[in-house]
Amino acid sequence: GENVEQHPSTLSVQEGDSAVIKCTYSDSASNYFPWYKQELGKRPQLIIDIRSNVGEKKDQRIAVTLNKTAKHFSLHITETQPEDSAVYFCAARPVGDYKLSFGAGTTVTVRA
Amino acid sequence: DVKVTQSSRYLVKRTGEKVFLECVQDMDHENMFWYRQDPGLGLRLIYFSYDVKMKEKGDIPEGYSVSREKKERFSLILESASTNQTSMYLCASSFTSGRLSSTDTQYFGPGTRLTVL
Repeated sequence: GENVEQHPSTLSVQEGDSAVIKCTYSDSASNYFPWYKQELGKRPQLIIDIRSNVGEKKDQRIAVTLNKTAKHFSLHITETQPEDSAVYFCAARPVGDYKLSFGAGTTVTVRA
Repeated sequence: DVKVTQSSRYLVKRTGEKVFLECVQDMDHENMFWYRQDPGLGLRLIYFSYDVKMKEKGDIPEGYSVSREKKERFSLILESASTNQTSMYLCASSFTSGRLSSTDTQYFGPGTRLTVL
């Protein structure tokens, strides 16, 4: 099955700086890559996703890039703010499958 | 607005008890999932269901079973609770536009923190 590795496990950034989280996946048949954000005590929520026919996608301060050849994708958060502090999960899913395979998560702390 | 609810936010049970965790979604989603969340391990899939009365094992099904008698409801059952099943349990649901669709968003419930003593 699909195996997703996520790095780093923790990330501390100064407010206003950028944060980057990287994930690698094992199954070349994966073609859907969502990112979820989980604030403390709350449920995970989708913040952005990318499909394999696209190399990059942006939504305001967040962006995701995908390198299919290397089988890795990354989340970029620019101009970080205190409300960006959360746990972020990447995931991957092969075409035709129902299941998402999640990474272990990255705890992001934005220092004021 | 998608709503996924879980029967309890916190639950304390004793070793050997049979435990039922309930999940209900109101968006007519075909797919429903049960995950377990532990620090440093991310979200691990226990079971999922893509239709009423259909179920498939996820990555860690041992010690668990599920039931889906109605489309909106998906139950996770711990047949005989053990201390290593102390965890946060998250339910999720998603809509699939077609059986081979490659894209859908999973919507999560608030979670049930289960403690087994």
